[in-house]
Amino acid sequence: EVQLVESGGGLVQPGGSLRLSCAASGFTFSTYNMNWVRQAPGKGLEWVSYISDSSSSIYYADSVKGRFTISRDNDKNSLYLQMNSLGAEDTAVYYCARDMAVAPYTYWYFDLWGRGILVTVSS
Amino acid sequence: ENVLTQSPGTLSLSPGERATLSCRASQSVSSTYVAWYQHKPGQAPRLLIYGVSSRATGIPERFSGSGSGTDFTLTISRLEPEDFAVYYCQQYGSSPLTFGRGTKVEIK
Repeated sequence: EVQLVESGGGLVQPGGSLRLSCAASGFTFSTYNMNWVRQAPGKGLEWVSYISDSSSSIYYADSVKGRFTISRDNDKNSLYLQMNSLGAEDTAVYYCARDMAVAPYTYWYFDLWGRGILVTVSS
Repeated sequence: ENVLTQSPGTLSLSPGERATLSCRASQSVSSTYVAWYQHKPGQAPRLLIYGVSSRATGIPERFSGSGSGTDFTLTISRLEPEDFAVYYCQQYGSSPLTFGRGTKVEIK
């Protein structure tokens, strides 16, 4: 089955760190560019970060730049998001999402999403 | 950034009725770079429309997209029970890509 499954979420104190993982299955992970998208409570979706198939191109939203690091391991079919210096504004459900295009192209819309994982930043 | 405003916030309709969802951009969207997603609680979001009007794989013909410039529309011609969900528009014509806050289509 073609799917993405996020893990690693939970409750973390302000200023703390957390590492999210996204396990891909059912498709050739190494040929797709990947993203993280989040949704804070009561708000819309917010794009967080992008990584190309070979990790050669990486982009971040201004809101997380310098605090979050996206990475991937194509041998393990996995995407990661290392989140540091977390604040209440980072509380959200985090989704991993696949770009619809097969690399080297990028379409910037997403044809496969995970169900999301909740990250709560609170003392 | 290009802010997307979706209206109405909630649409109360009955199965079989037509749903018209609006997405207005604060700046003109380059080319045809608008997508629409359906999201049900606890599920993964689902791509419905890309390129303003192209249906994604497996999406029924009752879903259609239209628009240009700053005004875009998702139309569901006849609502089926499984269509009651939240719908988001997205623009990818300028960086950063942005999403609207969603329109909830609920059963009347």
